Amino acid sequence: DAGVTQSPTHLIKTRGQQVTLRCSPKSGHDTVSWYQQALGQGPQFIFQYYEEEERQRGNFPDRFSGHQFPNYSSELNVNALLLGDSALYLCASSLNRAWGYTFGSGTRLTVV
Amino acid sequence: GQQVMQIPQYQHVQEGEDFTTYCNSSTTLSNIQWYKQRPGGHPVFLIQLVKSGEVKKQKRLTFQFGEAKKNSSLHITATQTTDVGTYFCAKEEGSRLTFGEGTQLTVNP
Repeated sequence: DAGVTQSPTHLIKTRGQQVTLRCSPKSGHDTVSWYQQALGQGPQFIFQYYEEEERQRGNFPDRFSGHQFPNYSSELNVNALLLGDSALYLCASSLNRAWGYTFGSGTRLTVV
Repeated sequence: GQQVMQIPQYQHVQEGEDFTTYCNSSTTLSNIQWYKQRPGGHPVFLIQLVKSGEVKKQKRLTFQFGEAKKNSSLHITATQTTDVGTYFCAKEEGSRLTFGEGTQLTVNP
């Protein structure tokens, strides 16, 4: 049990569509980060949310947006999907950065 | 931000052999974290190193942080089949982790 829950586990979408991915952080964690992991590569930072605000953002276009709710859960939205958006999307939560980040099992998004 | 370089990209060992992966940065790091990702799985936090020259051990795993805080290594003694996976180092810049490309370890029984 990863402690971080992501849904759905798999998703197939068509180019141009929009998708919403969901994440519930580990109990007690207040910070949620989203990463994109292409096959054979390391995770790439998309953004982080803390206290319902986007705290830091990586090199991703505005098509990628997010939200954090008062219960610390989070959503990642991707608009106008491209084939290149096909990847594993990982959510990670933390409370104390010295203890590292806890990752969820991810959502495998396939864009056709 | 600047990447962290990891070598080797792949490592195949016989069970019982040792394994080492190296992580290098062109800039001084505030800290370095290590994660393991099993095939088909998600990254799992192993450890964070903060101090110059720091050495930490977890059973058969030994983690080192260089004196200049620009490099780090993970050494596994006497590998087992359960060690299979990709090992990533990651540097922390503000709120973001920047991962290396990882070292994929396979262990032949």
